[in-house]
Amino acid sequence: DIEMTQSPSSLSASVGDRVTITCRTPQTITNYLNWYQQKPGQAPKLLIFHASSLRSGVPSRFSGRASGTTFTLTISSLQPDDFATYYCQQSYSTPFTFGGGTKVDIK
Amino acid sequence: QVQLVQSGAEVKKPGASVKVSCKTSGYSSTDYDINWVRQATGQGLEWMGWMNRNSGNTGYAQKFQGRVTMTRDISINTAYMELSGLRFEDTAVYFCATRPLDYGGNSPFDYWGQGTLVTVSS
Repeated sequence: DIEMTQSPSSLSASVGDRVTITCRTPQTITNYLNWYQQKPGQAPKLLIFHASSLRSGVPSRFSGRASGTTFTLTISSLQPDDFATYYCQQSYSTPFTFGGGTKVDIK
Repeated sequence: QVQLVQSGAEVKKPGASVKVSCKTSGYSSTDYDINWVRQATGQGLEWMGWMNRNSGNTGYAQKFQGRVTMTRDISINTAYMELSGLRFEDTAVYFCATRPLDYGGNSPFDYWGQGTLVTVSS
């Protein structure tokens, strides 16, 4: 199984802040790395797929980047609607493992 | 619009089985998998397995091998996930999610059901 190491597990930020979340894998996954946003009581929603492709309809303040086996999700200017938990996931091979999540809350 | 509508909450006793359904509508991909993911309260996401909508082929996470069965009824666009031998630690919200295969096998989960709470309690 490919273990996804996501950090930090939580962070506090203010509206307008730039936020970066990192996900690391122990082996290459050919950029088959996806990011999801989940709000309390809701299902996850796909934000970014294949490391850096923004899903249609997702605000452009969200971006993803890959550097080897390190992947980052950046929110360029945090908005009130962005306070949520974010998960990375690899779709390179089964089992399709998830990172442990990063909860972004209000400072 | 795409909708994945899951069946309602269930309460089961330890050792029992539960079967959760997931009805898909409006999905444009001609070939896709239905994946099942669960989430215990306050915890992260755990992938359980996949089932191809067309062929019915399945693949299960090793943790659930022997306890989970994924099936579908194409005529009503509904997928099912049955988990047997329920334990207290199986208490969780269970989600279904589609994964399109039109452009290859490494796609993300693009649409999700609303989740079904399964509570295992004596």
